[in-house]
Amino acid sequence: GQSLEQPSEVTAVEGAIVQINCTYQTSGFYGLSWYQQHDGGAPTFLSYNALDGLEETGRFSSFLSRSDSYGYLLLQELQMKDSASYFCAVATGFQKLVFGTGTRLLVSP
Amino acid sequence: DTEVTQTPKHLVMGMTNKKSLKCEQHMGHRAMYWYKQKAKKPPELMFVYSYEKLSINESVPSRFSPECPNSSLLNLHLHALQPEDSALYLCASSQDNGASDTQYFGPGTRLTVL
Repeated sequence: GQSLEQPSEVTAVEGAIVQINCTYQTSGFYGLSWYQQHDGGAPTFLSYNALDGLEETGRFSSFLSRSDSYGYLLLQELQMKDSASYFCAVATGFQKLVFGTGTRLLVSP
Repeated sequence: DTEVTQTPKHLVMGMTNKKSLKCEQHMGHRAMYWYKQKAKKPPELMFVYSYEKLSINESVPSRFSPECPNSSLLNLHLHALQPEDSALYLCASSQDNGASDTQYFGPGTRLTVL
C-alpha cells in the first residue's frame, strides 16, 4: 500500500517560519512534490525534489531525504495569503502521483 | 497560458441523471488526468490519458466514463451516480515527459448527487 503522512494542522503568525513534514512509504519513488490548495481552489504546484537536499524557490524551500523516506516544506516570512492546505505527493511511477494526507496551515496576524 | 479550465463549476444531479464534466488545456500537454477529492482529503487519481489514449484506470466504477476527444479536451461522463460520489472533481494536465512531470490542475467541478 501507499502511505504519506503529514500533520493535520499547523498554526503560525505572520512573519514566522513554519515547517510541514511528510513521511512516506510507497511502492515506487521517483520524486516528492508539494502542492498548495486554497479552500475551493485548485492544487498549485510549489516544488519538486528528486534528489536528496534542499531546493529553494523564493520564500518556499523543500527538502528530501530518500534514505529516511522524509521530506519537508519550509515556508518563510509567512503571509496571511499562505493560509491554505499543503499536500506532499510522491511520483510512484510514470503519470502516477499519490498525495499525502494534507496539512492545513493557519496564519494569524 | 498555464491554465486548465473546467466546466461547470458546480453541478447538482439526481441518481438517474446523465451529465458530463469538461476540461480543457492549451499548454500543448499530452497527458490529462481526472482526480476525485472529498472534503478535507487529498486528491485521488481516477484516470489518465496519454496522447489521447487511456493509460491508467484506477479501478473506477463504470458509472464514470472518461473520454479524450483530442489532445486539449477531456470529458468525464456521469451516469447513475450515488450520493457518495459527491466530491470535487479535478482535472490536470502535464507534458508527459516522465515521472518528474509537473501536473497543472484546474479549479474543479463541485458535484452534488442527490
